[in-house]
Order: sequence, then structure tokens, then C-alpha cells
Amino acid sequence: QVQLQESGPGLVKPSQTLSLTCTVSGGSITSGAFYWSWLRQHPVQGLEWIGYIYYTGSTYSNPSLKSRVTISLDTSKNQFSLDLSSVTAADTAVYYCATDVRSSSGGGSGYWDHWGQGALVTVSS
Amino acid sequence: DIQMTQSPSSLSASAGDRVTISCRASQSISRYLNWYQQKPGKAPRLLIYTTSTLQSGVPSRFSGSGSGTDFTLTITSLQPEDFASYYCQQGYSTPWTFGQGTKVEVK
Repeated sequence: QVQLQESGPGLVKPSQTLSLTCTVSGGSITSGAFYWSWLRQHPVQGLEWIGYIYYTGSTYSNPSLKSRVTISLDTSKNQFSLDLSSVTAADTAVYYCATDVRSSSGGGSGYWDHWGQGALVTVSS
Repeated sequence: DIQMTQSPSSLSASAGDRVTISCRASQSISRYLNWYQQKPGKAPRLLIYTTSTLQSGVPSRFSGSGSGTDFTLTITSLQPEDFASYYCQQGYSTPWTFGQGTKVEVK
């Protein structure tokens, strides 16, 4: 059973970069079974998909955030990470890492079956 | 982006009630519709994927139906642990998008 755990600063200043790491246990990040994903949940706006990375290093991000998002892998630590640059108060949210099962056609399945517990990140000076 | 609209935004029910939550997509998404349950302070939990397939471990009182633009989540005989928020999500095209949620509260 794959388990995920987010970690990172809970407070980030406006215009800086938000950085979070997801540590994976119970499975290898290089197994090819999952697209390793980031989502967030705003207090009011709700749930939003941020993007994913595959073990090959291939990434895809929500176009609304794409210019500010970097998702990367650290296979030696079985982790993947999110960097979100130039943050504003609108980026205040609970950030989740999650798994999107690789489908038979090779892409993601478009749903998330394992989730981390979530990390609240507040953007404030 | 595909917009997902849920109704109602909240409902009050009693244990044992049958509950129905609707979800409408702004364009056809075939059957690529997923449902999640979320309790306060917890991550969403996948309940149903591709309209009607129950995720492993999900009780059979949960069921889903629909196709195209209109979908339904039904809970037959609501249990105390089912009081939570429910979200629909389309997996038809990126960016994947969610409904705004339906909160099921104690009557």
C-alpha cells in the first residue's frame, strides 16, 4: 500500500517560491505504476489539480499555473517535489500529493487513489 | 476548462436516508466522472471512478450513474460515518477539474 507524506514550510512570503516535498513509502517512485501528482485545496475556491510527474521525468501542469510550477523527482530518496514561484495570497491552500494510476493506454487515469495528509501553506508577509 | 457543477451545495439528512447528489459537466465527458468523500481535516478519499466503479473498500451503499454531462452519486441508507463533503471530478480532459462540493449534514 503506497503511502504519501508532504513536508515543507507552512509560511511563505509573497513573491517567494513555495517548495514542498512528498515522500513515498510502500512503493518505488520508479515503478512506472503511477503519475505522481500535486493538488491543492483553497479555503473557498475548492480543489485544484496542479500537475504530475512520471518516473521518466515527464511532467504536465495545469495551464493556469504552468509558468510558475516545477515538479521534480529525487529517486535516491523516493521523493517528488513541487516548486511554485512568485506566490501571492491566492496560493494559500492545503497542498496534497497523490497518485494517479497509470492507465492501460499509458497515460494517467485522471483520478487519485492515494493521498497524503495535506500540508497547509500560508502566503503572508 | 470543463466546469463541474454540483447540486445541492449542502443537504440535511438522517441516518438511514437515501441521499442523491448531482453533478453536471459543462460539456460531454463520456463516463470519465469520479467521486470523492472528504471529512474535515482529512484528504479526499476516492469513492467511485469512471462513473460507477467502486474503489476497493468502499461500501456497496455508494453507487454512481450517468453519462455525458449528467451524473449522480447515491448513498442508500446513510450511515453516521457518511456525513462529510462529496466532490465530483472529471477525468476526461486536462486540466482535471472538480465540482465545488456537497456537504451532507445531520438533520
